[in-house]
Amino acid sequence: ETGVTQSPTHLIKTRGQQVTLRCSSQSGHNTVSWYQQALGQGPQFIFQYYREEENGRGNFPPRFSGLQFPNYSSELNVNALELDDSALYLCASRWDFSGLDTQYFGPGTRLTVL
Amino acid sequence: DAKTTQPTSMDCAEGRAANLPCNHSTISGNEYVYWYRQIHSQGPQYIIHGLKNNETNEMASLIITEDRKSSTLILPHATLRDTAVYYCIVRVEGQGFSFIFGKGTRLLVKP
Repeated sequence: ETGVTQSPTHLIKTRGQQVTLRCSSQSGHNTVSWYQQALGQGPQFIFQYYREEENGRGNFPPRFSGLQFPNYSSELNVNALELDDSALYLCASRWDFSGLDTQYFGPGTRLTVL
Repeated sequence: DAKTTQPTSMDCAEGRAANLPCNHSTISGNEYVYWYRQIHSQGPQYIIHGLKNNETNEMASLIITEDRKSSTLILPHATLRDTAVYYCIVRVEGQGFSFIFGKGTRLLVKP
C-alpha cells in the first residue's frame, strides 16, 4: 500500500460527456502527476502539479485539465470524452523538496467511454 | 519517447533469480535509473533506483554497468507473485517532469 488513493475505481461514460477523477496523495507529498495507460501500453504522462500549479505537461490536449488543492489532493477533468479516452488513469505523488523523485502510484481509475 | 529498451517478455522458474536487462545507451551523467513493476491492472509499484553504484533493497538488486549504458534488475528468489510487467525508466533527478514509460518487460514466473 502506497497511501495514494483514487476514486472511483471504475467509471463508464458516453462520448461527449465530461468526467472528474480524484486522487488523494500520500501524506506529506506536495507533487502529484497524472498518467493515462491504454490497454497493453505503458503509462503516459498527462501533467503534473506542484503546490497547486501545473508545472509540466505531456502531449495531451487542453480538454485534459487538473486541479491540486491545498491539502495536496487532486482532480483530473476530461471534457468532450472520446472513445480513445478509455484507459486506466493513474495518479502518483511524491515529495519534491527532498531532491528524491520516487513517485508512489495509486491503484488507478478504469474509465470506459462508450 | 522512452530512453530505455527492454525485452518484451521473459520467463523465470519459481525460486530462481530473475535477471531483467535494460539498455539506456543515451543516458546522461545526472540521470537516474528507476525500476517499477505493475501487476495486472494495478498501479505501478516502486522497486529500486540508482545513479551509478549498485543498489540493493529488500525487494531487489540493481546492477548498473560502469559506462552506465545498461542495467540489470535482479529478483534473487522469484515467486509467483513477482509475475508482472517491469518498467525501466531513466529520468533526471530533481526536474519537474515525470517519468516516460516504455512498454516494459512482461515477466512470467512459472512453478
